[in-house]
Amino acid sequence: QVQLQESGPGLVKPSQTLSLTCTVSGGSISSGSYYWSWIRQPAGKGLEWIGRIYTSGSTNYNPSLKSRVTISVDTSKNQFSLKLSSVTAADTAVYYCARVLLPWYFDYWGQGTLVTVSS
Amino acid sequence: QSALTQPRSVSGSPGQSVTISCTGTSSDVGGYNYVSWYQQHPGKAPKLMIYDVSKRPSGVPDRFSGSKSGNTASLTISGLQAEDEADYYCCSYAGSYTFGVFGGGTKLTVL
Repeated sequence: QVQLQESGPGLVKPSQTLSLTCTVSGGSISSGSYYWSWIRQPAGKGLEWIGRIYTSGSTNYNPSLKSRVTISVDTSKNQFSLKLSSVTAADTAVYYCARVLLPWYFDYWGQGTLVTVSS
Repeated sequence: QSALTQPRSVSGSPGQSVTISCTGTSSDVGGYNYVSWYQQHPGKAPKLMIYDVSKRPSGVPDRFSGSKSGNTASLTISGLQAEDEADYYCCSYAGSYTFGVFGGGTKLTVL
C-alpha cells in the first residue's frame, strides 16, 4: 500500500519561498508509469493543481503558478519536493502531495499539511 | 472562480439518490473522457471515487456511478448513506497546456 507524507514548515513569511517535501513509502517512487503531484486547498475552498513530476525529472505546472513553482524529485530518498517563491497570504492553504495515475487521476494522497503565510 | 462548475450543495434522505453535476467546456469535460470524482470528508484528504468518467476504483461501492453528456459530467449516488455526507469534487483533463482543472466542490448533506 503506497503512502505519502508531506513535511515542511507550517509558517512562511510573505515574499519568502515555501518548501515542502513528500516522502513516498510502500513502494519505489520510480516504479510504474506514475507522475507525482502537488495540489493545494485554501481553507473552505476548492482544490487547485500546482504541478507534477515524473521520475525522469520531467515536469508540468499550472500555468497560473508556473513562474513561481519548482518541483523536483530525489529517487534515492523516495521523495519529491515543492518550492513556491514570492509567497503571499493567498498562498495559505493545505498542501497535498499525490500520485498521478495516467492520464490524470490522483489515486493516493498524503494527509495534507497546512502552510500559513504570515509575518 | 473554478474552471468547472458544480452546485454548491445538494441533499437527500437515506436510501434516496442524488446527482451532482459538473459543467465545463469542450476544452476539458467535453473534449476528453478523463473525468474523475473525489470525495472529501472534513479534515481528510480527497479520495478517488470515479475515473475515466464512469469507472470505479477497487473498494468503491457500486452505489457511486458517473456519466457524461457533452460538456457536463455527473456523479450519481444511489441508496444514500450517512457516511456519504462529504464534499465532492470533479476533475477533468484539459489538454497539454492547462493539464487539469477541478470543480469548486459540492457539499452533500444526508438529511
